[in-house]
Amino acid sequence: NAGVTQTPKFRVLKTGQSMTLLCAQDMNHEYMYWYRQDPGMGLRLIHYSVGEGTTAKGEVPDGYNVSRLKKQNFLLGLESAAPSQTSVYFCASRPGQGFTEAFFGQGTRLTVV
Amino acid sequence: GEDVEQSLFLSVREGDSSVINCTYTDSSSTYLYWYKQEPGAGLQLLTYIFSNMDMKQDQRLTVLLNKKDKHLSLRIADTQTGDSAIYFCAEGQGYNQGGKLIFGQGTELSVKP
Repeated sequence: NAGVTQTPKFRVLKTGQSMTLLCAQDMNHEYMYWYRQDPGMGLRLIHYSVGEGTTAKGEVPDGYNVSRLKKQNFLLGLESAAPSQTSVYFCASRPGQGFTEAFFGQGTRLTVV
Repeated sequence: GEDVEQSLFLSVREGDSSVINCTYTDSSSTYLYWYKQEPGAGLQLLTYIFSNMDMKQDQRLTVLLNKKDKHLSLRIADTQTGDSAIYFCAEGQGYNQGGKLIFGQGTELSVKP
């Protein structure tokens, strides 16, 4: 049972480069989320999706774009990476009804130099 | 907007009780959560409490909720070195608000032998 899988696990980018982080879940969850984790700031929500084909902005969306073309995948894109985007990125998913926990991936550690 | 606050560090001796505190602002939260993050790993749900409950006990864990003061606490009895981790408090928004989890900064628990 894979759960939530993030690809890649580590990446170093140069300022101005672009990249896409992939989140895949095999639990048929409706809701998916991208967070970033920075020391002393906890997890902050970047973007989220409440179903296939939908996306919405979270607390810190600037500099990021997302897409949810398939229900199981949620992509996070950085068009022009900046050092301020150095962080650990977490994807999470949860079903769309009833009490549910959010299941997290193992994280992607991104360094922008 | 919504805000969740936690102290950043807590140090205890093995065998003692640990109490991690959290305050939140969104009185409409249905569930409040405690997540645990071990070094280099993602977040795992530790326990949760429904907003109409005052207390929940689960083996060594006791969650207390003071809804009037918007204060949540997690008590770990007989703390072990394996409990050393970062503990996140989170409030859960309703699915009509995207089912988002709003996290605190995380409390780093250090257990000394």
